[in-house]
Amino acid sequence: EPEVTQTPSHQVTQMGQEVILRCVPISNHLYFYWYRQILGQKVEFLVSFYNNEISEKSEIFDDQFSVERPDGSNFTLKIRSTKLEDSAMYFCASSIRSRTSGYEQYFGPGTRLTVT
Amino acid sequence: GQQVMQIPQYQHVQEGEDFTTYCNSSTTLSNIQWYKQRPGGHPVFLIQLVKSGEVKKQKRLTFQFGEAKKNSSLHITATQTTDVGTYFCAGPLLMDSSYKLIFGSGTRLLVRP
Repeated sequence: EPEVTQTPSHQVTQMGQEVILRCVPISNHLYFYWYRQILGQKVEFLVSFYNNEISEKSEIFDDQFSVERPDGSNFTLKIRSTKLEDSAMYFCASSIRSRTSGYEQYFGPGTRLTVT
Repeated sequence: GQQVMQIPQYQHVQEGEDFTTYCNSSTTLSNIQWYKQRPGGHPVFLIQLVKSGEVKKQKRLTFQFGEAKKNSSLHITATQTTDVGTYFCAGPLLMDSSYKLIFGSGTRLLVRP
């Protein structure tokens, strides 16, 4: 069964450093998302991406964050200058369709980001 | 903005007991989705409800969507240790070209063997 993959599984970085989290969505999916989950808390939407551009972003997704789909398979989340409060699990998700039908989203296993 | 709330936050049951989690949205939803997250895992889609008053069953799990499409519930009959995890409801917030999921706070289910 196709699945979303994410690398690395765990990233430790120092405050102020840049990190890039990588995701390979399911190949025939068209809509891509990043969510984050601080330990023990709910899953929070960061950004959605469709047709090579951002569709929607949350208040969390400030100028320090950016997303890219550099080729036909990868989908990346970059944090330019990490802060302690960026420590969380970051989930990539993809879906085949969206709009009113609200198709299910498939989540990757996540990247645990630890900022020290 | 749209908010999705869930109760209870935690539920600790004896294996074989039933379990219910409730989800309430501040706005009417076009549909509602339920996800399960095992400890240390990622959210896994369980089901989507679309119609007002809809009830769907998956083995021991029963999902219900309220008549006003603002609330939902998940009921597990005769829990098993494999049911352990956090159950999230999620409502879509539609935009022009896509949607984002607004997750509830989740209900963490612990099952004593």
